[in-house]
Amino acid sequence: QVHLVASGGGVIQPGTSLRVACAASGFTFASHALHWVRQGPDKGLEWVALISSDGGTAYYAASLKGRFTVSRDNSKDTLFLQMNSLTTEDTATYYCVRDVGSGGSGWYYDYWGQGTLVTVSS
Amino acid sequence: DIVMTQSPDSLAVSLGERATIYCRSSQSVFYSSNSKDYLSWFQQKPGQPPKLLIYWASTRDSGVPDRFSGSGSGTDFTLTISSLQAEDVAVYYCQQYYSIPHTFGQGTKVEIK
Repeated sequence: QVHLVASGGGVIQPGTSLRVACAASGFTFASHALHWVRQGPDKGLEWVALISSDGGTAYYAASLKGRFTVSRDNSKDTLFLQMNSLTTEDTATYYCVRDVGSGGSGWYYDYWGQGTLVTVSS
Repeated sequence: DIVMTQSPDSLAVSLGERATIYCRSSQSVFYSSNSKDYLSWFQQKPGQPPKLLIYWASTRDSGVPDRFSGSGSGTDFTLTISSLQAEDVAVYYCQQYYSIPHTFGQGTKVEIK
């Protein structure tokens, strides 16, 4: 059974950095591309980033303006999202999501984790 | 970026009646080399992550009840719930994965009339 467990969220001050992680189990981690998708309070879904199965290729939403970096450790079945210069606009639940494919520009998403809430507030 | 626009924003349907949600993309999400539309539908219930219902515009994911169906091609798509059940109350999103950035519609809230 596929599990994606995100962690590392919390309340942080504007301008600071945070790294969230997603621990995966129940599937061959290194065979799948992965995404981060976020959802602000009572808002819709926003795609954040995609990383290929081998970690060699990553794509980001332009709105992030280079502040976020996605990475993965295939030896530990863990996905990461490093977020810098956070603003109140980044307040959201961050979901890690499995892609059915391994790379390219991604295919459809078949499993979502429960998400981790990041609140940026002074 | 491909803009996804859903209509309506919300709808109320009686139990057992049909619910229809529309999704339009600002450009075609049909990939001619494999004849597939790169379009998914998700269901999100309160306090839960989204759940995949439909991919390739019309393929139901495993375990999804057959009252859910997807149709359309190119730029215009439809999600139909043929006979609304109480457990179908949720927000529904369409999403294109044709190109980066993957984009979602704004969501359609389905309630019981």
